[in-house]
Amino acid sequence: SSELTQDPAVSVALGQTVRITCQGDSLRTYSPSWYQQKPGQAPVLVIHAKDNRPSGIADRFSGASSGDTASLTITGAQAEDEADYYCNSRASSGFYWVFGGGTHVTVL
Amino acid sequence: QVQLVQSGAEVKQPGASVKVSCKASGYTFSKHWMHWVRQAPGQGLEWMGIINPDAGTTSYAQKLQGRLTLTRDTSASTFSMELNNLQSEDTAVYYCARDHSLGSAWWFDPWGQGTLVTVSS
Repeated sequence: SSELTQDPAVSVALGQTVRITCQGDSLRTYSPSWYQQKPGQAPVLVIHAKDNRPSGIADRFSGASSGDTASLTITGAQAEDEADYYCNSRASSGFYWVFGGGTHVTVL
Repeated sequence: QVQLVQSGAEVKQPGASVKVSCKASGYTFSKHWMHWVRQAPGQGLEWMGIINPDAGTTSYAQKLQGRLTLTRDTSASTFSMELNNLQSEDTAVYYCARDHSLGSAWWFDPWGQGTLVTVSS
């Protein structure tokens, strides 16, 4: 399968920890990346190569991946973390890429 | 700094074509492939295709094969996306995003600001 599956929505209390998961066969072969998107804005890379944070991304964001499942964890969620989060990887067969359906994170 | 600046919003009639440009600056143009991604209103991200800036080789999402053409102009450091035979379901924000790869890892960074294409009669 070339799909990535994410839960549509999660909520987290301010300052607490939330984990977003992404599942798909392609993750057994290719490392995932994660993107944050706020309303009316372009997506922003928050995690790449499974668990690497670009410069400028808060260290409360972390990533992990094992087998066919990847996760993005926000430790100590802040109000500004309320956004949609998408996982992505190259497809396991062929030269193309796939996105998960996205997870909306609400910070309560 | 690296910047991807896209062309402005477009309104097209069904059956028409649209061409969106993405001007790259702040890095060596030939060193990074470029992806195109779209997002219909209220929907998720959809990968469309990728182009090699050196050879111009491309790979397209299967559902867009035959309608999508990605090109580049190395002299102008600009990538372009042309979509033909537009239908209402092509109404979306279209993004270019620079490719990175390392081993088995691939990622998109940065992204252009997005271009809204509206298909309406």
